[in-house]
Amino acid sequence: DAGVIQSPRHEVTEMGQEVTLRCKPISGHNSLFWYRQTMMRGLELLIYFNNNVPIDDSGMPEDRFSAKMPNASFSTLKIQPSEPRDSAVYFCASSLPSGSRNEQFFGPGTRLTVL
Amino acid sequence: DAKTTQPNSMESNEEEPVHLPCNHSTISGTDYIHWYRQLPSQGPEYVIHGLTSNVNNRMASLAIAEDRKSSTLILHRATLRDAAVYYCILSNAGNNRKLIWGLGTSLAV
Repeated sequence: DAGVIQSPRHEVTEMGQEVTLRCKPISGHNSLFWYRQTMMRGLELLIYFNNNVPIDDSGMPEDRFSAKMPNASFSTLKIQPSEPRDSAVYFCASSLPSGSRNEQFFGPGTRLTVL
Repeated sequence: DAKTTQPNSMESNEEEPVHLPCNHSTISGTDYIHWYRQLPSQGPEYVIHGLTSNVNNRMASLAIAEDRKSSTLILHRATLRDAAVYYCILSNAGNNRKLIWGLGTSLAV
């Protein structure tokens, strides 16, 4: 298995532009998570889906952020309009509904820089 | 959500054991203790998890205090490849998929 796939790996954009991050979870996994990581705040859960349905989006910072999961093999995280404070590494992770282990498998991340 | 407290950083010599502590004094009876680590420029990866009993796997051992208010991740022989940030995380069995992450312990080997 290729693992969780994220694209792009790096994104540099200007303030005010729309940014779309993409994620392909591991086949067969039914939970998908979007995280943001910065030096100051560490790893923050933004939103997670179970069976393509958003379960908890309490970590989404504001209305400029939106996430979708149209099917079991694809999800997007969109920022519109982007701001310099959105600069961070964004991780996508997926997991199986497998009892207590709850192992999340992370992608390589997308490093976003907003100028 | 229950919180954990870890030292910001630790150092170890190669081939020596490393004990990474974690305090979780507000843990509830249904909270599992998870450990993940994050190697430089990579996403986090699962290390081990437990509820009450000590656990061993090929990567590490997890020692859980009798009152469950603290735990220790044990790397038996540290190598250079173990240099990473180690996160101790609690998750509730009722909402097991949501993990609340702290800033972790940065381990230098």
